[in-house]
Amino acid sequence: SQQGEEDPQALSIQEGENATMNCSYKTSINNLQWYRQNSGRGLVHLILIRSNEREKHSGRLRVTLDTSKKSSSLLITASRAADTASYFCAPGSSNTGKLIFGQGTTLQVKP
Amino acid sequence: DVKVTQSSRYLVKRTGEKVFLECVQDMDHENMFWYRQDPGLGLRLIYFSYDVKMKEKGDIPEGYSVSREKKERFSLILESASTNQTSMYLCASSTGQGVVETQYFGPGTRLLVL
Repeated sequence: SQQGEEDPQALSIQEGENATMNCSYKTSINNLQWYRQNSGRGLVHLILIRSNEREKHSGRLRVTLDTSKKSSSLLITASRAADTASYFCAPGSSNTGKLIFGQGTTLQVKP
Repeated sequence: DVKVTQSSRYLVKRTGEKVFLECVQDMDHENMFWYRQDPGLGLRLIYFSYDVKMKEKGDIPEGYSVSREKKERFSLILESASTNQTSMYLCASSTGQGVVETQYFGPGTRLLVL
């Protein structure tokens, strides 16, 4: 399975701190994507990193990818209460044409 | 901006009823997907479609069927609803052929089967 597995399952931090979430997967990928889901809502795409990239930034988000270790991490810097949500990694392969979502990391940012 | 809409936010149905969940996207995307999301299980792919009148089974197609008569609309059908189909259903769309691109999600339909 290419399923992304996020770690930790839950994370609670204070506003202003950084949050780091990790993702591991099992097979070769074309790219890896991160999504956010606010409670009871649909998923929103955050960032896509291709297999030939090692790091990517978008605002307060930093994503790294290590294809040799089959792992990725999402760093949210200077977190805000509005960042409270579930975060999902989704490895993707051109072989299947599908994204496979993990169970997500639930992030709580306390004001 | 891509907009994916789902026909209902909340739905309550009785066991044995036929249930239709509708999804419409406005960006001319080729690909459309139906997922269900359950606590502890994450998102699981039910069916997807790469083109009009085309469908492929995902990981958990049993008890479901789909219809894609027009490019912008992808319907999920529960032929005879059962209590174990109580779940959050998410529709998504993406562009690209054979390439795993960004998926755009609808707001979800929370279905309760009594």
